[in-house]
Amino acid sequence: DAGVIQSPRHEVTEMGQEVTLRCKPISGHNSLFWYRQTMMRGLELLIYFNNNVPIDDSGMPEDRFSAKMPNASFSTLKIQPSEPRDSAVYFCASSPLYQETQYFGPGTRLLVL
Amino acid sequence: EDQVTQSPEALRLQEGESSSLNCSYTVSGLRGLFWYRQDPGKGPEFLFTLYSAGEEKEKERLKATLTKKESFLHITAPKPEDSATYLCAVQAPGKLIFGQGTTLQVKP
Repeated sequence: DAGVIQSPRHEVTEMGQEVTLRCKPISGHNSLFWYRQTMMRGLELLIYFNNNVPIDDSGMPEDRFSAKMPNASFSTLKIQPSEPRDSAVYFCASSPLYQETQYFGPGTRLLVL
Repeated sequence: EDQVTQSPEALRLQEGESSSLNCSYTVSGLRGLFWYRQDPGKGPEFLFTLYSAGEEKEKERLKATLTKKESFLHITAPKPEDSATYLCAVQAPGKLIFGQGTTLQVKP
C-alpha cells in the first residue's frame, strides 16, 4: 500500500506565479480532501470531493485557488496568481467513504517569495 | 459553531512520566472523534476513532477515552519516540474539524 502520494514535496516560487500541487489518493478510496496547515491557523480544510465531484469548497480562501479531480486517482490544487500569504504546507487526504477515517499524504511545503 | 480546543499547547515530560492530553469539543451531533499523531515534516498519522461516550481504545502506551464533551489521550510511561504533535478532530457533516494540537516532548 503506497499511501497518499503528493508532489512536489517542496515548492519555492515567486509572487504572481502559478503553482500546481498534485495528489494521488489511496486506490479504492472515494473521498479526497485538500488541507492547508500554518502555525497561525492550524489545519484547515480547503475542499473535498466524493467520487470525483467537489462537494464543499467553502474553505477555499479566494478565487485564486482552484481544485480538480479528473479521475479517481488524481487531483490538483492550483493557485494562480500565488501570493506570499499562501506559504504553508498543503496536505491531501483520502478516505474509503464519506465520513470515514482520513489518511494523509506527506504534504507539499510551499514558499512564495 | 463546531469547535475543537486542545490543551495544553505544549507538554514536556521525562521518560516514564505519565500524563494526559485534553480535547474539548462542541459539535452538533458527534459522528466521530479522531486522534492523529504528526511528526515534524510529515502528514498526520491516524491513531484512533471514538464514536460514543464511554468508549476507550488503546495502542501501545496510548489510550484514548471519550465523554460527551471531551476526549483524553492518556500516555503511560512515555518514551522519547512518543515526542510529536497530537491532533484531535471531530467529524462534522462531510469534514473533520481539527484542534490546534498538543506538542509533546519526552526527554530521556
